[in-house]
Amino acid sequence: EPEVTQTPSHQVTQMGQEVILRCVPISNHLYFYWYRQILGQKVEFLVSFYNNEISEKSEIFDDQFSVERPDGSNFTLKIRSTKLEDSAMYFCASRARTGPYEQYFGPGTRLTVT
Amino acid sequence: DQQVKQNSPSLSVQEGRISILNCDYTNSMFDYFLWYKKYPAEGPTFLISISSIKDKNEDGRFTVFLNKSAKHLSLHIVPSQPGDSAVYFCAASARGNKLVFGAGTILRVKS
Repeated sequence: EPEVTQTPSHQVTQMGQEVILRCVPISNHLYFYWYRQILGQKVEFLVSFYNNEISEKSEIFDDQFSVERPDGSNFTLKIRSTKLEDSAMYFCASRARTGPYEQYFGPGTRLTVT
Repeated sequence: DQQVKQNSPSLSVQEGRISILNCDYTNSMFDYFLWYKKYPAEGPTFLISISSIKDKNEDGRFTVFLNKSAKHLSLHIVPSQPGDSAVYFCAASARGNKLVFGAGTILRVKS
């Protein structure tokens, strides 16, 4: 069964460093998403991406964040200068172009900023 | 911003009995609702969904009910099994866009 994969599973970085989180969505999906979950809090939306551009972003997704689909399979989230409060689980999700609207999630990357 | 609420942080059920998880929403623009199951240190796993044009959707042991007038949905699991023990998230979407999640309900199924 097709699945969303994410690498790395755990990333530890120092405050101020850049990190890139990688995702391989399900191959025939065309909508891509990043969500995050800070420990003890809700899963919250960061950004959605379709047709090689951002379709929606949340208030969290400020200038420190960027997304890219560098080739036909990968989808990346870059945080330019990490802050302590960026520590969270980051989930990539994808869905097909047409309904139903289920989004399928990857296993997540645990980002720890020290 | 509490557009999707799961008011029960936890639920404990005996194996073989029914589990009922509840979810309320406030945004009338939501037209698609989903339930996800999540284990610690894993991503949410899609379980079942329902469109706002329906009031019930069933898939095996899982049934989701939608009451649009009350802005309420529920997930029924019957019979409950120990492997169902996990965190269950309700999520809502408008026109297939971003998902808005509830806080989750921890389900424990006792054998």
